Amino acid sequence: RKEVEQDPGPFNVPEGATVAFNCTYSNSASQSFFWYRQDCRKEPKLLMSVYSSGNEDGRFTAQLNRASQYISLLIRDSKLSDSATYLCVPKLNDYKLSFGAGTTVTVRA
Amino acid sequence: EPEVTQTPSHQVTQMGQEVILRCVPISNHLYFYWYRQILGQKVEFLVSFYNNEISEKSEIFDDQFSVERPDGSNFTLKIRSTKLEDSAMYFCATARDRGGEKLFFGSGTQLSVL
Repeated sequence: RKEVEQDPGPFNVPEGATVAFNCTYSNSASQSFFWYRQDCRKEPKLLMSVYSSGNEDGRFTAQLNRASQYISLLIRDSKLSDSATYLCVPKLNDYKLSFGAGTTVTVRA
Repeated sequence: EPEVTQTPSHQVTQMGQEVILRCVPISNHLYFYWYRQILGQKVEFLVSFYNNEISEKSEIFDDQFSVERPDGSNFTLKIRSTKLEDSAMYFCATARDRGGEKLFFGSGTQLSVL
């Protein structure tokens, strides 16, 4: 089983729509979780951390379900600038982040 | 915002040649990483480095790879004898704290092995 599995998409949504997607992870010992964003052929950038109680950052909401070993990301009121690949990232230990292959979101005008 | 700087942005080399990829970390960061991304694939962990020694490395990071901080500022990745399958984007990343939540990535070096 892969360390991290994500629906590759693409999710094609109109501006203003809500889009949500999940990620599953295999290692139950993962300590913490993050969503990174990667634009085409650019470096990954931290979007947000994912806390056990769930958390919001503006239009972005992240949830963690440790029992089922998945995390989710929801984007409300999508903007054209949200078009990117979203990488699910469990932290396995202090020295290693393991990146998922990513979910591609395309927001159209 | 402070930046991680990588040079060169593109490197073309012949199979079997040695390459050195360079990274200048953010000045107060102590934890350094190399990741790579083959075109169309996921970002893969190569190695982490702290206090002048490797903390962890992946299966990809075999004897052909090495890392060092030769002058206390630059952080380098050396590939001794490049193979075609080493062609990828190589990202350097740094963090201030152990287990730092936020990794700061450089913009990458695109390595093409011919």
